[in-house]
Amino acid sequence: AQTVTQSQPEMSVQEAETVTLSCTYDTSESDYYLFWYKQPPSRQMILVIRQEAYKQQNATENRFSVNFQKAAKSFSLKISDSQLGDAAMYFCAYKTSYDKVIFGPGTSLSVIP
Amino acid sequence: GAVVSQHPSRVICKSGTSVKIECRSLDFQATTMFWYRQFPKQSLMLMATSNEGSKATYEQGVEKDKFLINHASLTLSTLTVTSAHPEDSSFYICSARGAQGAKEQYFGPGTRLTVT
Repeated sequence: AQTVTQSQPEMSVQEAETVTLSCTYDTSESDYYLFWYKQPPSRQMILVIRQEAYKQQNATENRFSVNFQKAAKSFSLKISDSQLGDAAMYFCAYKTSYDKVIFGPGTSLSVIP
Repeated sequence: GAVVSQHPSRVICKSGTSVKIECRSLDFQATTMFWYRQFPKQSLMLMATSNEGSKATYEQGVEKDKFLINHASLTLSTLTVTSAHPEDSSFYICSARGAQGAKEQYFGPGTRLTVT
């Protein structure tokens, strides 16, 4: 069965600085999707970035980028120029071939002004 | 982008009663909807997957007779918590996916259920 691990329960970053959130996963599948979701205090799940496993190029969305290491089964999220609005829970997620999405335990990110 | 709504956003019910939560895809047809449960400071746990017109598939450990899921149309799925107890108090989130193989799911805003 697939599992998703986030080893950092809490992280903090100074405003305007860069922070990297870690994620590792375990799977025997070769084709899958990986996601980072943000859950602010409103609890609405917001898609931050998506990576298709067959693509070697790391996904980027404005200030958000990933470092996808397929062989190592690692999928970290880098947030550049951190803003106060980035403070939230961040969940790494894996989409199985059966379309189920498995979430990691989450990392609570604080942004220090 | 695709929008998913949930109703109600908050509900309080007495122990032993049933409560229904609706999940609607507003601007797309959702062939599949997913129901998640989230306890405070924890991650989302998948409860069940429902395909339009079919019986829901429940994850291991989820009581199908307690959490009744109906997906009667391509835009509406409902979760009914039957004979609710305080331990059922939680945050329930639905998500919806369009066609088979679609890259992502779209999440509703969630429903906070409190059973007194």
